[in-house]
Amino acid sequence: RKEVEQDPGPFNVPEGATVAFNCTYSNSASQSFFWYRQDCRKEPKLLMSVYSSGNEDGRFTAQLNRASQYISLLIRDSKLSDSATYLCVVNGGDTGFQKLVFGTGTRLLVSP
Amino acid sequence: DGGITQSPKYLFRKEGQNVTLSCEQNLNHDAMYWYRQDPGQGLRLIYYSQIVNDFQKGDIAEGYSVSREKKESFPLTVTSAQKNPTAFYLCASSIWQGDQPQHFGDGTRLSIL
Repeated sequence: RKEVEQDPGPFNVPEGATVAFNCTYSNSASQSFFWYRQDCRKEPKLLMSVYSSGNEDGRFTAQLNRASQYISLLIRDSKLSDSATYLCVVNGGDTGFQKLVFGTGTRLLVSP
Repeated sequence: DGGITQSPKYLFRKEGQNVTLSCEQNLNHDAMYWYRQDPGQGLRLIYYSQIVNDFQKGDIAEGYSVSREKKESFPLTVTSAQKNPTAFYLCASSIWQGDQPQHFGDGTRLSIL
C-alpha cells in the first residue's frame, strides 16, 4: 500500500462548480498534513496546511479525519486558474524530522 | 524578496559526466532538501540537511552527492553512477520543526545528451 494515495483524475469540472479531492495516508503517526498545488512543469506551491479542526482559506476548505486516515480538499466556485495538479502531503510521523511524503497528485481541469 | 533559487533551469549531461545543480535560499531556513520528480510519480527524497556540515541520505540517494558548507547553499551533484538521471529536480527548505511546510525552488530539468 502506498504511504499517500490520491485519485489521479483528471477531474473535469465547469467554472463555478464545487469539487472535492480525497487523500488517504497509511502512517497513523503522521502529525502534519498539507495540500500543495503544482502547475504543469512548475514547482509545487503550498496551498494550505490541514489542521485537526479543519480550516478554510477563501474558496478552499481542508478537512482531516484521523480515525479514517484521510484528508480532503474542497474547492468552491472553481475558476479557470484552479486548473492544476493538487498534491496531498503528509509528514512521515517522526516529529523530529520534517520528512514529507508526497502523493502523486490529483489533476483538476476547469473549463469555461 | 526571500526565496529559493535553483540553477540552471535546464541541464544536459553527457555519458560519464558529473553535473552539479545549485540551490540557494535566503529564507534563513535551517533545513534543506533535494527531491526528484518523474512523470506520473510523486516527489522522492534524495538528500536532506538539518544544519550546516551535516546531511543525510533520503530514499533514493544512490548516484547523488551533496554538501552543506553554508546555511544558504545545498548543491546536488548527479554523478555518472546515476544511470537514469533524466528528471525534474526540486530543492526545498523549511524551518526544522515537524509541523512546518517546505518551500520549493523552481526546479532544474536534467536530461541526458
